[in-house]
Amino acid sequence: AQRVTQPEKLLSVFKGAPVELKCNYSYSGSPELFWYVQYSRQRLQLLLRHISRESIKGFTADLNKGETSFHLKKPFAQEEDSAMYYCALKGGSTLGRLYFGRGTQLTVWP
Amino acid sequence: SAVISQKPSRDICQRGTSLTIQCQVDSQVTMMFWYRQQPGQSLTLIATANQGSEATYESGFVIDKFPISRPNLTFSTLTVSNMSPEDSSIYLCSDRGRAETQYFGPGTRLLVL
Repeated sequence: AQRVTQPEKLLSVFKGAPVELKCNYSYSGSPELFWYVQYSRQRLQLLLRHISRESIKGFTADLNKGETSFHLKKPFAQEEDSAMYYCALKGGSTLGRLYFGRGTQLTVWP
Repeated sequence: SAVISQKPSRDICQRGTSLTIQCQVDSQVTMMFWYRQQPGQSLTLIATANQGSEATYESGFVIDKFPISRPNLTFSTLTVSNMSPEDSSIYLCSDRGRAETQYFGPGTRLLVL
């Protein structure tokens, strides 16, 4: 069964420090992994997807199939990065539905 | 990216009543999804709404409680029927746009007294 695990419910770092939000998944096939972000009082929006292999707002995430992980990283956190981050998985057999982790609330202190 | 709007943005309802949430997409999309986000929890898929066919419900959700309409490729409604306080939640609609990316509406915040 598909499952997405985000072990940290809360994560706090100081501005300028590196940040890593962990995400592990279980899926028998070839998954598509996403990171969604929800800033305060804003809608849920896509941050990045592993297929694109892109860096958005300084964030990167690499799919590690051996460790079944898709951790989100940023070398120097900014205060405006404070938000709720959700890791999500889309399985090929489920016609587009996403399976979400419980989310990690990131707080970046000045 | 698709622009998705939802109405109402929030509501306070009495138990036993029903509320219909509307979701409008600014472009034609094949599939629309309805999620629920209960306080402090992650998003849970309620059902997938396909145009021209009945919605597909996830385990734990039934049509009598959450009837869905999908009259065309840009619009869908979700009704929360016979509400109880446990239905207090944020309800989100989403579509599957190009490049298989899903976009989300702003959500409908529901409080049932």
